[in-house]
Amino acid sequence: SAVISQKPSRDICQRGTSLTIQCQVDSQVTMMFWYRQQPGQSLTLIATANQGSEATYESGFVIDKFPISRPNLTFSTLTVSNMSPEDSSIYLCSVEMSGTNEKLFFGSGTQLSVL
Amino acid sequence: SQQGEEDPQALSIQEGENATMNCSYKTSINNLQWYRQNSGRGLVHLILIRSNEREKHSGRLRVTLDTSKKSSSLLITASRAADTASYFCATGIQGAQKLVFGQGTRLTINP
Repeated sequence: SAVISQKPSRDICQRGTSLTIQCQVDSQVTMMFWYRQQPGQSLTLIATANQGSEATYESGFVIDKFPISRPNLTFSTLTVSNMSPEDSSIYLCSVEMSGTNEKLFFGSGTQLSVL
Repeated sequence: SQQGEEDPQALSIQEGENATMNCSYKTSINNLQWYRQNSGRGLVHLILIRSNEREKHSGRLRVTLDTSKKSSSLLITASRAADTASYFCATGIQGAQKLVFGQGTRLTINP
């Protein structure tokens, strides 16, 4: 299993600013993912965070808007850049231990509100 | 687009009754998983069923998978107020190292 610490847990930000969300795992993991959950909606995968290289982004998400770092096997950050009210969502870090599309462990999420 | 379609979108039942949620998907999968989310926070993994399995049990949970119909169901027996949450199916897509989540079912258990 894995214990994930995600912070901040919530933030209220002004339009045009950026927020960096941190995800720390208590053990080395194969895969780390960032998801977005818009109000009342399901989870949408933003990107797979790759250790030591550029993240792999899903369709509709770009590096300039959502830069991601993963300097080692236990830590990743997601930045939401130049925010607008449409970015108001829950952002979730998740990890998978085996690299075989098995069970995901989730952080508690970051509730972001953009004014 | 989302892989999974879930129904119903919302379900409200009395405590002690059984709750059934359904999930349909579109492409070939390695496995199908169910997760629970309380109050819009982190998701908790409930159960995983592989593509070569047809039924799986875990406590009060029973999951079925019909790959010919590309559908799955989650049954929660003898429901409790603490089961109130949103439930999501997620599919492990063949050839891709990621899960794709369905739209979710909001389950409310009334005391």
